[in-house]
Amino acid sequence: GQSLEQPSEVTAVEGAIVQINCTYQTSGFYGLSWYQQHDGGAPTFLSYNALDGLEETGRFSSFLSRSDSYGYLLLQELQMKDSASYFCAVIEYGGATNKLIFGTGTLLAVQP
Amino acid sequence: GAVVSQHPSRVICKSGTSVKIECRSLDFQATTMFWYRQFPKQSLMLMATSNEGSKATYEQGVEKDKFLINHASLTLSTLTVTSAHPEDSSFYICSASKGYGKTEAFFGQGTRLTVV
Repeated sequence: GQSLEQPSEVTAVEGAIVQINCTYQTSGFYGLSWYQQHDGGAPTFLSYNALDGLEETGRFSSFLSRSDSYGYLLLQELQMKDSASYFCAVIEYGGATNKLIFGTGTLLAVQP
Repeated sequence: GAVVSQHPSRVICKSGTSVKIECRSLDFQATTMFWYRQFPKQSLMLMATSNEGSKATYEQGVEKDKFLINHASLTLSTLTVTSAHPEDSSFYICSASKGYGKTEAFFGQGTRLTVV
């Protein structure tokens, strides 16, 4: 079956760096994405990795190791507005279309 | 970017009634849309894949007669929760991508359904 595991909660202070890990087990793996969701809102896309290595987008970076079925999201220079839930999501082959399967989610609390 | 509009944002209905939720891609055509369900402080659970002009593909454990999905055009998919019960109360979110192989999904604002 499919599983994507993340830590349930992470707390950090403003200006710090935080890493959110994701381990996955799935079939037909296509790539790993990261989404941010503020309470009551819609998820928004942060980054995507199809190949091993690090992708950097501003303060956010994402890493993937396909051989280890592992990835992480790195958030630098944390700001209060970064307090949100973060989800890794696997793009999985679904026959005629790809499916986006979400991880368990990590609630990030940024403190002053 | 791309905009996906979902309506209504909130709905309260009585047990036994049906509720329809609309999901529209405003500035692109979406041959495929996805419907998710999210309980408080939990992850998004994929319910079904909505394909334009054909039947939806439901995930295991999702009742197709309970959650009717129609994808009548390239910009509109609807989810109807039939004979709603309090346990159906949840946050329902749709998403769409710009095409097969596109990696970024765009989400609607979500619908908070409360069944009383």
